[in-house]
This record gives sequence, C-alpha cells and structure tokens, in this order.
Amino acid sequence: QQPVQSPQAVILREGEDAVINCSSSKALYSVHWYRQKHGEAPVFLMILLKGGEQKGHEKISASFNEKKQQSSLYLTASQLSYSGTYFCGTESLDSSYKLIFGSGTRLLVRP
Amino acid sequence: NAGVTQTPKFQVLKTGQSMTLQCAQDMNHEYMSWYRQDPGMGLRLIHYSVGAGITDQGEVPNGYNVSRSTTEDFPLRLLSAAPSQTSVYFCASRTGGSNQPQHFGDGTRLSIL
Repeated sequence: QQPVQSPQAVILREGEDAVINCSSSKALYSVHWYRQKHGEAPVFLMILLKGGEQKGHEKISASFNEKKQQSSLYLTASQLSYSGTYFCGTESLDSSYKLIFGSGTRLLVRP
Repeated sequence: NAGVTQTPKFQVLKTGQSMTLQCAQDMNHEYMSWYRQDPGMGLRLIHYSVGAGITDQGEVPNGYNVSRSTTEDFPLRLLSAAPSQTSVYFCASRTGGSNQPQHFGDGTRLSIL
C-alpha cells in the first residue's frame, strides 16, 4: 500500500519553513526520506524507525508518530538548494523487505 | 567505490523487442530493488531481492522478469516491450536491516516506440 504524501507541491521564499507529511494505512516499521533533483537519482536524507523517534540533519528534521503511522519532514530556513522532489518510503511490519514510496512532494524555493 | 552501476544509461526499443537492464553493486548489499519512475510521478517498485537466489514481486511486476544469481548483480528483463513501459528505471541496493539507507543507481532512460 503506497503511502500518501501531502502537499503535492510547495513554493517557498528563501528562508521560509515547510512541512511535508507522509501517512500510511499499514503498521510501519520504518520511514525513509529522500530528495530528488530533476534528472538525477534520489538521494538519502534520513530514516526513522518504529519507536516514534525524531531525527535531524542540518536544518532538515523529521518525526515519526507510530500511533498514527505518520511521518513529517521539517525544512527550516529553506535554501535554494532545498528545491527538488521529496519522497517518503515506508516499510510495513508485515513486509519489511519492501520499501514503497509515495508519489512525492515538489518543493520550489525562490530567492 | 562505484556504488550502484546501471547500464545502459539510455535505450530506445521498438514494441515487441526484448532487452535486459543491468544493475551491479559493489557494496555487498543483500537487498536489491528495481523501481520505475514515470514523468512527474513517484517511484514504483517492480521487483526486489533479499539475497542471491531470492526474488519477489513489487507493486508493478507485470511484463518484467528478474533473477539474482550473485549478490552483486540484479538484471531486469523486459520480455516484450510495450510503449507503456517507457520510463526511467532505477536500481537500488541496501544492506539488511531497516536502519540502513538505500543507494540508487543513476537510472536507465528507456523509450519504447
């Protein structure tokens, strides 16, 4: 079951914040976040495991609400380099070998 | 380290032709996967493998075959190409355990006329 991402697209001014959400109808073991630039392969950002942890990577952080099977990616003080498409990938408890991705959130940061 | 290597980078086929997309990784990863990405869309899982000799279907397996005879290689075969299979194909690998990141190859851009 493909996770659902929202919003589908976001336009920001440099320095603004954004939140990207990812939700699943299945019980999850982990949530992965990746960023893809146009014409390139997806690049790993972070992984959150069952247990409801929160992780950070520079000005990008994420949380995982195990009870709601939801994860959120927080982009603070956005930079031009943050532009791209963000994908969440989920592993469910009943099929932890498969990493299934959402349809993505397009983020454009303008000067 | 080369990481995940996909060949070819570009390919044009005619409807009905067959071909194999190659994928090799040099990181000794147990898990390997194939995804397709249509324009403006997300990544859809075609097939995956958790080790040599073990493969399973993903979300969109029809029209594709895979095999995994070695840890390093995971080729994807299109048996009879159709225009609906025009897409960018990504191979990915990761070591076992859900706290490990997945590494992607650069992709193969496939057009079927």
